[in-house]
Amino acid sequence: DIQLTQSPSTLSTSVGDRVTITCRASQSISPWLAWYQQKPGKAPKLLIYQASSLQGGVPSRFSGSGSGTEFTLTISSLQPDDFATYYCQQSYSYPYTFGQGTKLEI
Amino acid sequence: EVQLVESGGGLVQPGGSLRLSCAASGFTFTNFPMHWLRQAPGKGLECVSAISKDGGTTYYVDSVRGRFTISRDTSKNTLYLQVGSLRPEDMALYYCARESSGYYDLWGQGIPVTVSS
Repeated sequence: DIQLTQSPSTLSTSVGDRVTITCRASQSISPWLAWYQQKPGKAPKLLIYQASSLQGGVPSRFSGSGSGTEFTLTISSLQPDDFATYYCQQSYSYPYTFGQGTKLEI
Repeated sequence: EVQLVESGGGLVQPGGSLRLSCAASGFTFTNFPMHWLRQAPGKGLECVSAISKDGGTTYYVDSVRGRFTISRDTSKNTLYLQVGSLRPEDMALYYCARESSGYYDLWGQGIPVTVSS
C-alpha cells in the first residue's frame, strides 16, 4: 500500500497567515493526489484534485502543487472558516489511502 | 439536490451484523464507482470497500475482507454495505462517497457503527 505522510500534524496559526501543509508519498503518485478539509462532526470536503486543480466552489486562497512524491496545500491568507483538519489522499493505486491529517489550530 | 444519505447504523454486539444503506439522488448513479470509508473516533480516514459502476468489480481492505459485502441496486439508486462478524476495531463513523476519477467529490453525512456488549 502507498503510505502518505503529512507534516506538520498540528499547526498553530492565526487569521491572515500563509499556511503550507506537506504530503509525502512512499512512491511516485503524480498527479493522483487530492486534498480535503474536514470540520468536527462533518464529512470531508474536496478542495483540490489531481494535485493542483481547484474543486468548484472552493475559494481561490486554496492551492495545490507538487509532483512525484512531494505535494503541498497552501492557504494564502487564513480565514476563520479555515480552522479544520486537512487530509491528502492518493488514487494512484488501490487501496486509496489518506495521510494522517493536519489540524490547524488558532 | 445532489446528495448521498446513509442509514442503518447503530449499536451492535461483537460478532453481530448490520446493513448500511446509502441512497443517492440528483445524479446518474450508474456513472460512478462508489466507496464506503470509515473514521474511527479521533482517527483518520480509511477506504473500506469500493464497487465499480456496473457492480461487477469490488474491493475490500484486508481487515474486512470476508466479513463485509458491498453491493449496489441501480433500480433503487442505493449502495449497501453488509457488515458482519463485527469487532470492536470496526467501530467508526461510516461514510459512503462518490468517486470521480480517483477522488471523492460527494460524501454522505456519515453513520455511526458502535460495537459493544
